[in-house]
Amino acid sequence: DIVMTQTPLSLSVTPGQPASISCKSSQSLLHSNGKTYLYWYLQKPGQSPHLLIYEVSSRFSGVPDRFSGSGSGTDFTLKISRVEAEDVGVYYCMQGTHLLTFGGGTKVEIK
Amino acid sequence: QVTLKESGPVLVKPTEALTLTCTVSGFSLSTARMGVSWIRQPPGKALEWLAHIFSNDEKVYSTSLKSRLTISKDTSKSQVVLTMTNMDPMDTATYYCARIGSSPPLDFWGQGILVTVSS
Repeated sequence: DIVMTQTPLSLSVTPGQPASISCKSSQSLLHSNGKTYLYWYLQKPGQSPHLLIYEVSSRFSGVPDRFSGSGSGTDFTLKISRVEAEDVGVYYCMQGTHLLTFGGGTKVEIK
Repeated sequence: QVTLKESGPVLVKPTEALTLTCTVSGFSLSTARMGVSWIRQPPGKALEWLAHIFSNDEKVYSTSLKSRLTISKDTSKSQVVLTMTNMDPMDTATYYCARIGSSPPLDFWGQGILVTVSS
C-alpha cells in the first residue's frame, strides 16, 4: 500500500503570513492515464473534513485562492499565501492513485 | 443539495459486529460511477479509508481490513451499509461516509458517528 507522510506535524502561523505543508508518497502517484490523484482536505475543529484541492493543484468549488497545491511524482505541497483565523484545523493529503490513503495530518494553529 | 448521514449503534461490545448505514440525498446511487466511501478516525488520530462501493456494485476494500469488512447498497432506499466484524476497542472511532464518483472523490461528507467499542 502507498504510505503518505506529511510534515510538519504542526504549524503555528501569524495571521497574514504564509504557510506550507509537505506531503510525500512512498511511490509515484502518476497514474497510467497521465493524471496524478493527490488531494488536500481540511478538518476544522469539531467538523467533518472538506475538500480543498484535487488532482494536485485544482481548487475545489468555493475554496479561496490563497490555497494552492503543487508537486509531482512523490512530492507535493499545499501553500496558504496569507493565513487567516478561519484556516485553523488539521490538513490531510490523500492519494487516490491506488486505493485511498491519507497522510497523518498537519495541525495549523494561529499565533 | 447533497447530504449524507451515518446511523447505527454508538456502543458495541468486543467481538461483536458493527453495522452502519449511510443515507444519502441530493444524488442517486444509480448514477454511473457514483458511489459512497467509508472513512474512520480514532479519537485524536488521522483519517483511515475503509471501503467504497460504486453504482455498478463494484466494491473496493482497504487491504488491511478487507477480511473484516462488507459493503453493500440499497439503491431504492439511497443507503449504503458497512459491516465490520470482530470489533475491538482499537476500532473505537468516528465513522464517516462520503461521496465518491466522477467528481473529485470525497467531495461531500456526513457528520460522522462516534462508535465506542467497550464491554
